[in-house]
Amino acid sequence: EIVLTQSPATLSLSPGERATLSCRASQNVASYLAWYQQRPGQPPRLLIYDASSRATGIPARFSGSGSGADFTLTISSLEPEDFAVYYCLQRLLWPTFGQGTRLEIK
Amino acid sequence: QLVDSGGGLVRPGGSLRLSCAASGFTVSSNSMSWVRQTPGRGLEWVSVIHSGGNILYTDTVEGRFIMSRDNSKNMVYLQMNSLRDEDTAVYFCARRDILTEYYDYWGQGTLVTVSS
Repeated sequence: EIVLTQSPATLSLSPGERATLSCRASQNVASYLAWYQQRPGQPPRLLIYDASSRATGIPARFSGSGSGADFTLTISSLEPEDFAVYYCLQRLLWPTFGQGTRLEIK
Repeated sequence: QLVDSGGGLVRPGGSLRLSCAASGFTVSSNSMSWVRQTPGRGLEWVSVIHSGGNILYTDTVEGRFIMSRDNSKNMVYLQMNSLRDEDTAVYFCARRDILTEYYDYWGQGTLVTVSS
């Protein structure tokens, strides 16, 4: 099983600031990595796929980078609705999620 | 759109069947999955049925859960047998997009509680 480790566990920032979230895989997953956002009581929402491609309807302030085992999700300027939990997902093998990064308002 | 249902309270060893109704696309043309979420274990992939009909399960449910598809009703199901405490979770059905091969549409989730 491929283990994804996300950091930090919690990120406290203010609206308008830049957020940088990390995801490290236990083995090379090439670019088979996605980022999801989850708000309370909602299902996960696909933001980024193949490490750096934005999903349909996702604002340009969300961007992804990386390949192999190290990946980053960047939110360039936080909007109030961006405060949520973010998960990375690999699909190279049986899909696994990271444990999540909670982005909270400072 | 995906609407999942069928959750509830069940005793250990019992059974439950979850349903997922799809609209706006054909379930037989896409891979469909069940994913569950708990506060302790996070998000966990449970099962997948591919468009060709091949079905795969995570190790912890293999032999106990059965995923199926009804093309005429455009629905997928998860028959859960021999339920354990650790199966308690919110269960989501999800669709894999044909082009991106990532899961882009999700149901709202249905809560399964296994408890005596």
